[in-house]
Parts: sequence; C-alpha cells; structure tokens
Amino acid sequence: DTGVSQDPRHKITKRGQNVTFRCDPISEHNRLYWYRQTLGQGPEFLTYFQNEAQLEKSRLLSDRFSAERPKGSFSTLEIQRTEQGDSAMYLCASSRPGSLNTEAFFGQGTRLTVV
Amino acid sequence: AQSVAQPEDQVNVAEGNPLTVKCTYSVSGNPYLFWYVQYPNRGLQFLLKYITGDNLVKGSYGFEAEFNKSQTSFHLKKPSALVSDSALYFCAVRAQYNQGGKLIFGQGTELSVKP
Repeated sequence: DTGVSQDPRHKITKRGQNVTFRCDPISEHNRLYWYRQTLGQGPEFLTYFQNEAQLEKSRLLSDRFSAERPKGSFSTLEIQRTEQGDSAMYLCASSRPGSLNTEAFFGQGTRLTVV
Repeated sequence: AQSVAQPEDQVNVAEGNPLTVKCTYSVSGNPYLFWYVQYPNRGLQFLLKYITGDNLVKGSYGFEAEFNKSQTSFHLKKPSALVSDSALYFCAVRAQYNQGGKLIFGQGTELSVKP
C-alpha cells in the first residue's frame, strides 16, 4: 500500500490523558499536513510541514497540541491534557514537491474520542 | 480571507439522473480549486482540480466541474448518477499566493442517489 497511512485508526481516551497519533506520508512527498474534522464539518487546517520544517500553524492549534516530523518522513501529532472538545477525526495528508497546484492525498484518519 | 461555501447540506438524486453539487469560493487572487469525496469512516479521495485553462474540468468516476470566475463558483456535475456515488463531497480552495498550500474546505454536501 503506497498511500498515506495513519495509526491508530481509533483512539478512546479519558479526559486529561495525553495521546499521540502517527502519520506516514507517501514516500516521495515532502509536504505533510494535519487537519481536524468534526461531525458535519469540513476538514480544518491545523499545521503544515515541508520536509522536517513546520512552516505554518493554525490558531486552532492550542499550546496543548504539538506536531513533529523529525526526519522529514513520518509525523506525529500529540495532544496533551485532552479535553472533550478534542474529540474529532484527525486527518493527515501529503503532497509531492513542486507547484502548489498538486493535489493532496489523505490518510483514512484517526478518530479520537475523549470520555 | 479564504472561504468556501457549499449551500446544500444534502442533495437527493434518482439513479440515472444528472447531479450537481454546488460550491462557491472567496479568495484573493487566482484560486486553485479541488473536489474530494469521503465515504463513511474513510479519508478524503481526490476527484478533480481546476488550476488554469479550460473552465470544464474532468475527473475520476465520470465527474466533472465547471469553473465560473465571474460567479466565483466551481460546481461538481455528473451526467448520470449511480447509487455508488452516494457519499460526502467537499469543495476546497487554495490561494495561489499561499506558499504552504493549505486547503480551505467547505462544510460538505451529502449526496444520496436512490435506485
């Protein structure tokens, strides 16, 4: 499978716990994006990496959220001290180098439920 | 600010009939426009994009979309709907000047095709 891979697919956690999600992009893609999608809404941009550099972060990304892409390959998204409002689908996408007119390819997402 | 509006939460079509899913956008400068489809518990799949050139863009699974600059619209169309087209459809825009390439999504339109 050469698509974008996300792990885990589902995560249930208690409020206040920390969680970490992983994204493996398509191998030759240097751009990597994280989005959050809540029920009945379109995906909302969280953050963007080009290679290992985090170049843009949304205001949605509070101090409890941190993302890394240490070697420019896979990425992790960590949420500390989870709140019920963090319950959502977290989507990772990647796109290849070059012009910005290239489409992004999405993983199947990690569904987070905070109880 | 960039934004996308999908005015219909749901579109119902009989199998074999033509379908249209509406999208309007707001962006400074020239837009890059995309349509994605999402099946239940799945990530987003790319359908088609408009970058420049011909206003009628053809994509996957027989879908096409028409770019109208004066009306700032990018409606998704298909001449003959299939039951298997039933899914959630998202329109997205990327501003040409946005070096990061993040996508701004509409809230989605649920397409239901009945036999």
